Amino acid sequence: QVQLVESGGGLVKPGGSLRLSCAASGFTFSDYYMSWIRQAPGKGLEWLSYISSSGNTVYYADSVKGRFTISRDNAKNSLYLRMNTLRADDTAVYYCATVRVYSYVDYWGQGTLVTVSS
Amino acid sequence: QSALTQPASVSGSPGQSITISCTGTSSDVGDYNYVSWYQQHPGKAPKLMIYDVSNRPSGVSNRFSGSKSGNTASLTISGLQAEDEADYYCLSYTSTFTLYVFGGGTKVTVL
Repeated sequence: QVQLVESGGGLVKPGGSLRLSCAASGFTFSDYYMSWIRQAPGKGLEWLSYISSSGNTVYYADSVKGRFTISRDNAKNSLYLRMNTLRADDTAVYYCATVRVYSYVDYWGQGTLVTVSS
Repeated sequence: QSALTQPASVSGSPGQSITISCTGTSSDVGDYNYVSWYQQHPGKAPKLMIYDVSNRPSGVSNRFSGSKSGNTASLTISGLQAEDEADYYCLSYTSTFTLYVFGGGTKVTVL
């Protein structure tokens, strides 16, 4: 069955950097578009970023554009999110997810918590 | 990109039907049949309930249905059950550079 397992979350100081990883299994990873979505404590879902199956096309929400970079390694069945210049309002659970082109998110990981605090 | 507009909360008694609205613009909900709905229980990852406005994934109860009129999409839960108590989010494709936008979420309470 489809499994998405995020890792790399933790406590980081404001202005710091972090790289999240998402290990995929149970499906042909290289066929799927992928996204990162986050949820601040007690808040709603926020779509962050999207990458095509080949990795050639990426999109970002305005809130993270220029600070976050999405990438993937299809040989390793892995998705990444490099996060720079982190701020307190980046504190959230970060989910990786499979996404149908222009349509819906079908599979979600369990999430990894990122806390930005001094 | 502003979030799609959902009511903060909706409640109903067991067995009743409730409807959650999701209002966007002509750049998202109004122009594309790419609205999906997600159920999220506390501490859990969201779960896809409806995709492409009105399609149900395999395994989702037929008590859940979706529709759209103009710039507003709706999720209806019929025969409300205690297990339906959760947060619900809509998501739409958008023609803006961000590509996707979520609704702010609706807390459903079963009285």
